Amino acid sequence: AQRVTQPEKLLSVFKGAPVELKCNYSYSGSPELFWYVQYSRQRLQLLLRHISRESIKGFTADLNKGETSFHLKKPFAQEEDSAMYYCALKGGSGGYNKLIFGAGTRLAVHP
Amino acid sequence: EADIYQTPRYLVIGTGKKITLECSQTMGHDKMYWYQQDPGMELHLIHYSYGVNSTEKGDLSSESTVSRIRTEHFPLTLESARPSHTSQYLCASTPRGTDTQYFGPGTRLTVL
Repeated sequence: AQRVTQPEKLLSVFKGAPVELKCNYSYSGSPELFWYVQYSRQRLQLLLRHISRESIKGFTADLNKGETSFHLKKPFAQEEDSAMYYCALKGGSGGYNKLIFGAGTRLAVHP
Repeated sequence: EADIYQTPRYLVIGTGKKITLECSQTMGHDKMYWYQQDPGMELHLIHYSYGVNSTEKGDLSSESTVSRIRTEHFPLTLESARPSHTSQYLCASTPRGTDTQYFGPGTRLTVL
């Protein structure tokens, strides 16, 4: 079964502390994974994808196929990072662009 | 301005009413999607479309229906609303050649 698990509903840290938002997936093929973010009063938007191997707003995420994980990390959290973060897996068959989302983790960065 | 729009943003309606949630995008995207999200839960795909006259059901069974008569328009209809339909509905679209989904602001539906 294709599934995305985000075990933490809420992650609360102080400004400047490291952050790791956990994401585990279940997928039989070669996975493509994404992190989407929703800031307060804004729309859900793409943060980064594992294929790009990019750092966006200081966040990185490494795909670990052995552990079936795609954790999102940032070495020093900022208050503006406070948001809902969703991990998503590109799944399905037949070539269509189906995303399977986790339940999300709310990151709260305190001053 | 190129964007994806959803109306209404909030809707409170009685049981048995017929409702249509509107979704329009002015970006010329081929693929469009409807997701349903209960508070604190995952987004679940309920409908998607590859293009005009193409509609498919998603993973989550839904009593709603959709149509795609024009590229830019992807409305979702509930013939007879029930309290179990209370949820947030998110529309998204993807341009050809990419897999990035662009989301609308959502419609929060409450059925009394």
